[in-house]
Amino acid sequence: DAGVTQSPTHLIKTRGQHVTLRCSPISGHKSVSWYQQVLGQGPQFIFQYYEKEERGRGNFPDRFSARQFPNYSSELNVNALLLGDSALYLCASSLIGQLNQPQHFGDGTRLSIL
Amino acid sequence: AQTVTQSQPEMSVQEAETVTLSCTYDTSESDYYLFWYKQPPSRQMILVIRQEAYKQQNATENRFSVNFQKAAKSFSLKISDSQLGDAAMYFCAYGVTNAGKSTFGDGTTLTVKP
Repeated sequence: DAGVTQSPTHLIKTRGQHVTLRCSPISGHKSVSWYQQVLGQGPQFIFQYYEKEERGRGNFPDRFSARQFPNYSSELNVNALLLGDSALYLCASSLIGQLNQPQHFGDGTRLSIL
Repeated sequence: AQTVTQSQPEMSVQEAETVTLSCTYDTSESDYYLFWYKQPPSRQMILVIRQEAYKQQNATENRFSVNFQKAAKSFSLKISDSQLGDAAMYFCAYGVTNAGKSTFGDGTTLTVKP
C-alpha cells in the first residue's frame, strides 16, 4: 500500500504570494495532521483534521488554513507568504486521529520563500 | 504548556556500541504517549518506539529500548549494537492520548562511526 504522499516535493515562492500544499493519507486513514519544520528545529503542529472537521489548531496566524476533502486528502494553504514561512511542511495520517494509533509521515514539501 | 526538551544537540557512537539519547518533558496530563522518531537525511519521519504513560514497563523494539521515568518526566532512548543506518536526527515527542497533536523536541543528531 502507498504511504502518505505529499505534493509538490519542492516549491519556491516570493514574499506576499499564496501557496497550496497537498497531502494524500494512507488508504483507510481518516485523520490528517500538518506540521511545520524549520531547519534545525523539531516539527511544530499546525492543524489536525478528522472526518473533514478541524480537530486541533496550533499557534499559527490566520494566514494558515487547511481543509480535508471527502476522500480524506487535505490541503494546507498559506497566504501572504513571509520569509519565515520557509520550512519543510510535513503531513501525517492516522486511522482515527488519536495517539493510541501511530502517525505515519510523508516525505514533506520543502517551501522556500525568496 | 507541554514542552519537550532534548539537551543533546549532537551525539556520536562507534558502530556496534550502545548510545543513550535523553529527553525530558513537562505536562500536567495523566493519559499521554511518548515517542521517539527517526528522521534520516532523506527526511521521512519514521516512528522508532512509543510508550504509553500508564504502562510501567519500558517499551522495547529490537535494538531500541526506552527508560521511562514518569515521576521525573524523563524518556531516554537506548540504541544497542549501533549500525551505520542508525545515523539520523532523532526526535522525542509527546502527545495527549485522545488528541492528534504531537509536541516535538528539537532533535538530537546521531553520528555512527565505523
